[in-house]
Amino acid sequence: DIQMTQSPSSMSASLGDRVTITCQASQDIGNNLIWFQQKPGKSPRRMIYYATNLANGVPSRFSGSRSGSDYSLTIISLESEDMADYHCLQYKQYPLTFGSGTKLEIK
Amino acid sequence: EVQLVESGGGLVQPGRSLKLSCAASGFTFSDYNMAWVRQAPKKGLEWVATIIYDGSRTYYRDSVKGRFTISRDNAKSTLYLQMDSLRSEDTATYYCATHGGSFAYWGQGTLVTVSS
Repeated sequence: DIQMTQSPSSMSASLGDRVTITCQASQDIGNNLIWFQQKPGKSPRRMIYYATNLANGVPSRFSGSRSGSDYSLTIISLESEDMADYHCLQYKQYPLTFGSGTKLEIK
Repeated sequence: EVQLVESGGGLVQPGRSLKLSCAASGFTFSDYNMAWVRQAPKKGLEWVATIIYDGSRTYYRDSVKGRFTISRDNAKSTLYLQMDSLRSEDTATYYCATHGGSFAYWGQGTLVTVSS
């Protein structure tokens, strides 16, 4: 199985900060990675697909990038509505595997 | 507007069965591979199963193989998850999602609690 190592598990940042969350894949997944945002009591919302593509309706302050086996979600200027859990998912091969999640809090 | 509406969750004793449904609307259901994803309380997301658009192939995570069955009725635009021999570790909110189209759409989830 492909392991997705997500870091950090939690973080606290100030409004306006630049925030980066990373998932490292244990095997090659190409660009077959999705980033989700999940707010308490809500379903996941797709933010980034195919590693770098912004999903419809997602603010442009969000972006996705790849460096080798490391995949990153960046928020260039944190807003209060960005407080949420973030999850990565590899869909290169079965079983599909998620990262363990990042809890993003606002200072 | 795309809608996925899950139903069928509830409290069930260990070893018993439960069948979840996911009613789809707003898109051509028969064109999409579909998936079930679950989330145990206060835990991360976990992929459970996927079914190909025409029902020809299915895929499962190891921990549910032989106990869970994913199926679909394209005429009714409905996805199912038959869960047998339930265990306490199956307690979670179960979401259906469009695997095709890179998980763009999700239902609101249905809670399954396995407890005596």
